[in-house]
Amino acid sequence: DAGVIQSPRHEVTEMGQEVTLRCKPISGHDYLFWYRQTMMRGLELLIYFNNNVPIDDSGMPEDRFSAKMPNASFSTLKIQPSEPRDSAVYFCASSLFSVLTDTQYFGPGTRLTVL
Amino acid sequence: EDQVTQSPEALRLQEGESSSLNCSYTVSGLRGLFWYRQDPGKGPEFLFTLYSAGEEKEKERLKATLTKKESFLHITAPKPEDSATYLCAVQAWESSGSARQLTFGSGTQLTVLP
Repeated sequence: DAGVIQSPRHEVTEMGQEVTLRCKPISGHDYLFWYRQTMMRGLELLIYFNNNVPIDDSGMPEDRFSAKMPNASFSTLKIQPSEPRDSAVYFCASSLFSVLTDTQYFGPGTRLTVL
Repeated sequence: EDQVTQSPEALRLQEGESSSLNCSYTVSGLRGLFWYRQDPGKGPEFLFTLYSAGEEKEKERLKATLTKKESFLHITAPKPEDSATYLCAVQAWESSGSARQLTFGSGTQLTVLP
């Protein structure tokens, strides 16, 4: 399997612009997670989906952030408008829940820089 | 609120010098404790899951152990390629009976010098 795929790998944008990050989870996985990683706050969960349905978005920092999962093989995280404090590495992870295991597998991340 | 504290923040070892990384946690009901390795510019890579106190798991030079309050990642005779940031995370049971979210510690940055 190719693992979790994220695009773009790097994104540089100016304050106020819309940013869309994309994720393709591992085929067959039923959970998808979006995380943000910064030096100050470490790795933080933003939102997660189960079978394409958002379950918990309490980690989404504010209304400028939105996430969708239109089908089992694709999710987006959108920031509109973007601000310099949104600069971070954004990771997508997926997992397949079972009684025995629940491991999350991470993508390579998207490094976002907002100028 | 679940809390995870990792120590030390950074650790420098000579090749072959064994040591341990610590992960202390506070969680209402632990379902699992996870160890990940993260290399610069990459996503976290899964290493181990521990589910109950007393459990141990090994992979090459790494051995993870779990008690009711903390976990240790023991590194035996490390090599330069073991240099990375090691992240610990806990997963708690939710009131609904499910368990999904991971709470991560801030990591230990390990450098192994040749």
